[in-house]
Amino acid sequence: NAGVTQTPKFRVLKTGQSMTLLCAQDMNHEYMYWYRQDPGMGLRLIHYSVGEGTTAKGEVPDGYNVSRLKKQNFLLGLESAAPSQTSVYFCASSYGNRDSETQYFGPGTRLLVL
Amino acid sequence: EDKVVQSPLSLVVHEGDTVTLNCSYEVTNFRSLLWYKQEKKAPTFLFMLTSSGIEKKSGRLSSILDKKELSSILNITATQTGDSAIYLCAVTTPGTYKYIFGTGTRLKVLA
Repeated sequence: NAGVTQTPKFRVLKTGQSMTLLCAQDMNHEYMYWYRQDPGMGLRLIHYSVGEGTTAKGEVPDGYNVSRLKKQNFLLGLESAAPSQTSVYFCASSYGNRDSETQYFGPGTRLLVL
Repeated sequence: EDKVVQSPLSLVVHEGDTVTLNCSYEVTNFRSLLWYKQEKKAPTFLFMLTSSGIEKKSGRLSSILDKKELSSILNITATQTGDSAIYLCAVTTPGTYKYIFGTGTRLKVLA
């Protein structure tokens, strides 16, 4: 039981390049989330998904796209990277029911855009 | 706009001290409040609090919700260097699937 995994762990991009971050969970969770964490800003929600095939915008969605084609995977795409997207990206998942609201986080992806 | 505010932003104490971290929230409807500890990498879950007002405890850590004051405190007694971390607070609201996070409190415990 690996929990929530993220790939890659670290990446350097040039401005304008594209990339996809992959999040996978093996806990059969319905809900999945992508956050970014910047110094002094806490965790800010980019996009989230409440089930396979569904996605929704969070607090800071601009410049990102997501897809949830399979229940266990949630992909975050950057079509044209900008230096402002330099950050640490965390994926999280949860059951999404009233009795169990804990989110489980992946180890993070550190992204540097030059 | 829903908001979660944590204080202090940072704190430095010595081993053995007791610390109290605060989390206050302004949300249209409240469902639960969660505390997480973040060391070098991913946040890990500590407690979930609801309107029941029941205090949660785990070893030297405890937390309680004050419904009137719309806030929660996280207490850590007899602090150790291993308690050094960022402590995050998040609030959930009914009917949404979002967790609203505060900016965190950075705690450093000196030997």
